[in-house]
Amino acid sequence: QVRLVESGGGVVQPGRSLRLSCATSGFTFSNYALHWVRQAPGKGLEWVTFISYDGSDKYYADSVKGRFTISRDNSKNTLYLQMNSLRPEDTAMYYCARDDFSSLGYWGQGTLVTVSS
Amino acid sequence: SYELTQPLSVSVALGQTARITCGGNNIGGKNVHWYQQKPGQAPVLVIYRDSSRPSGIPERFSGSNSGNTATLTISRAQAGDEADYYCQVWDSNTYVFGTGTKVTVL
Repeated sequence: QVRLVESGGGVVQPGRSLRLSCATSGFTFSNYALHWVRQAPGKGLEWVTFISYDGSDKYYADSVKGRFTISRDNSKNTLYLQMNSLRPEDTAMYYCARDDFSSLGYWGQGTLVTVSS
Repeated sequence: SYELTQPLSVSVALGQTARITCGGNNIGGKNVHWYQQKPGQAPVLVIYRDSSRPSGIPERFSGSNSGNTATLTISRAQAGDEADYYCQVWDSNTYVFGTGTKVTVL
């Protein structure tokens, strides 16, 4: 079955960097676009970034543009999110999700990022 | 930027029908997707492309979309339907989520 597993979250100081990973299985990774979505504690869902099936197209929310970078390794079936210049407002649960014709059909269980001094 | 507005909360009696709205400018011209999120869990897709159900989602969940409002309908509401619900669209290379609605089954 389709599985997405995030890792790499933790506590980090403001201004520092963190890289999240999303390991996948159960589907042909190289055929699908992918997303990162985050949810601050007690808040709603916020889309963060998208990458096309081959990595040629990438889109970002204004709130992370220039600080976050999405990438993928189709040989490892893994999605990444490099987060630089982290701010307290980046504190959230980060989910990876598979794109299914503009819907997010499958989600991981999330990894928690806390930005605090 | 495109915005989607949902009511903060909706209450429904057990066995009755709940309707959750999602307002956006000419949303009827877009594909709307709906997600259910229970406390401590990841979101789950319950409706895609306005009115289609993924496999495993009960027929009690249905959707419609026209004009400036999309609607998720939950028929014969059950206690297990208590959750937060979010609508979502794609617009100008961004993916937009609604503000979210908490559904309470009384």
